[in-house]
Amino acid sequence: QSALTQPASVSGSPGQSITISCTGTSSDVGSYNLVSWYQHYPGKAPKFMIYEVTKRPSGVSNRFSGSKSGNTASLTISGLQAEDEADYYCCSYVGSNTWVFGGGTKLTVL
Amino acid sequence: QLQLQESGPGLVKPSETLSLTCTVSGGSISSSSYYWVWIRQPPGKGLEWIGYIYYSGNTYYNPSLKSRVTISVDTSKNQFSLKLTSVTAADTALYYCARYFTPTAVFDSWGQGTLVTVTS
Repeated sequence: QSALTQPASVSGSPGQSITISCTGTSSDVGSYNLVSWYQHYPGKAPKFMIYEVTKRPSGVSNRFSGSKSGNTASLTISGLQAEDEADYYCCSYVGSNTWVFGGGTKLTVL
Repeated sequence: QLQLQESGPGLVKPSETLSLTCTVSGGSISSSSYYWVWIRQPPGKGLEWIGYIYYSGNTYYNPSLKSRVTISVDTSKNQFSLKLTSVTAADTALYYCARYFTPTAVFDSWGQGTLVTVTS
């Protein structure tokens, strides 16, 4: 399985909204509603922000939302804050109890 | 609160076997709703799912690594382990252990990660 495709970097100003895309294939993202998103500060443990494409765990700000269209999933962060600056990874089920991650996107808050 | 802590050698020679252990505290590794996972991140690259194990011993591996990977569990010690054979420089990475929660299909708890460098 090949890694999911994410933009290497995105940026936005405080208060703005940004969207990070995660493109897979009809064998992974397109076939299963099992896409999750992880926020990672270097040196820290990654934290899941979205699961099952659109669901947000308790404790995660409602500024974070997920969606999917065809083979592409997306993470949108609205009302950008300085603390959102981190690396973000998507992950999808591929079938047969296997998983694939994206290459990661570095979010810079200008 | 659940904590996962990776341990093992930080340096491994090419062609040798990488061995890491993850110690789980604050929860039982024998819980029925979880799998126990290894994930890695090579320097400057994205995350790669290596595989996971259920407390009963059922294992599932990344097809690209399957021939070299073994994940095992020791419920008496609340630990699970990773062995990766015939390592090369391409196996240099930050290795994370994590927990997979089956009802929501998410990796919901992670260790801090441990850097393993393959070098002669």
